[in-house]
Parts: sequence; structure tokens; C-alpha cells
Amino acid sequence: QVQLVESGGGVVQPGGSLRLSCAASGFTFSSYGMHWVRQAPGKGLEWVAFIRYDGSNKYYADSVKGRFTISRDNSKNTLYLQMNSLRAEDTAVYYCAKDPWEVGSGYYFDYWGQGTLVTVSS
Amino acid sequence: EIVLTQSPATLSLSPGERATLSCRASQSVSSYLAWYQQKPGQAPRLLIYDASNRATGIPARFSGSGSGTDFTLTISSLEPEDFAVYYCQQRSNWPNFGQGTRLEIK
Repeated sequence: QVQLVESGGGVVQPGGSLRLSCAASGFTFSSYGMHWVRQAPGKGLEWVAFIRYDGSNKYYADSVKGRFTISRDNSKNTLYLQMNSLRAEDTAVYYCAKDPWEVGSGYYFDYWGQGTLVTVSS
Repeated sequence: EIVLTQSPATLSLSPGERATLSCRASQSVSSYLAWYQQKPGQAPRLLIYDASNRATGIPARFSGSGSGTDFTLTISSLEPEDFAVYYCQQRSNWPNFGQGTRLEIK
């Protein structure tokens, strides 16, 4: 069965950096695009970034463009999110999520990890 | 940016009743709309994609309809496990979500 397990969250000061990881199993990771989606405490969902199955294209929400970088290592079945210049408004649970379309870009989210909490606070 | 507005914000119903949740887009998203269910402390779960297609393993009591700007999620007969927050999401443009509808037990 599909499993996505995030790690790397924690408390970081404003202006700091953090790298999240998402370990994938139960499907052919190298054939699917992957997303990061976040949820601020008590709030709704916000799409953050997408990377194509082969890493050839990456797309970002305006709110994180220029500060966050999505990447993947298909040999390790792992997705990453490098977060720099963090702000208080980046505080959220960060989910990795799988795109449904093989070798495509569906921009839906058919499987989710359990999430990792990032808190930006001094 | 396409704005998705969900109504009502909160829906209070009893088990066995029919639930009708609405999602309205600020401009046409064709049929590129999904619905998710989220329970407290859990990740969202995909229920419906492309407006009316049930995702894998989703019970038949969940159905979606609509196109263009007006969409509906219907739960035909509420089970106790259906009480949760529901989000719509569009992929016509960069993906974004509605603000959610909380379905609570009356």
C-alpha cells in the first residue's frame, strides 16, 4: 500500500532554514509527480509546490517562490522541501502528497503523508 | 486567482440524513474539481475528482456533481464516521482549496 512519511519539522527562528523529507513506498515513486501542501494551525489547506516525476519541472505557490525549493531523489524514493528565509506565516503542518496521474500532472492529491509540523518563532 | 467559496460553513445533521455541500468557483474550472475529507489530527483524504469520479475505495454514498462554477458533494445517508471537515479543490489553474465545510452531528 502507498505510504508517505514526512520528517524534518521542528521549531526554527524567523529567517532560518529547514529541510523536510518525505519517504515514499508502495508505488513506483519515479513515475509520479509529487506535491507539498501545508495547513496552518486551525486553518485550511494551501498548495505549496509540485515536482514532475523526473524532476524536470518544478512549480511553486507565489507565497513561497524564491524561498522554498522542491526536489526529489528517485534512487532513494524521497521527496524534499528546502525552506529558507522562514517567516511566522510559514508555520504549518506540511504534507507531502502524491499526484494521481502516472508520468503526468494531475494536480490532485490522492495519497497524503501524516504531516510534519514546522513552527517559525523566536 | 480562482476563489472557491464553500457553503455552508457548518452543517449540522443527524446520522442517516442526507448531506449536501456546495462549492462555488469565481470563474469556470470546467470539471477540474475535487473533494477531500479531513478528520481531526488526520491528513485529508481524496473523495471525488473531476467533479464526479469517486476515488479508490470511497463508498458509493459519496457523490459529486456540477461543472463550470457550481459543484455539489452529496452524502446520501450519513454514517457516524462521515462527520468531518470537507474541502473542495480546483486544478483548472494553480491548485487551491475552498475554506471548508464542517459537518457536525446534530
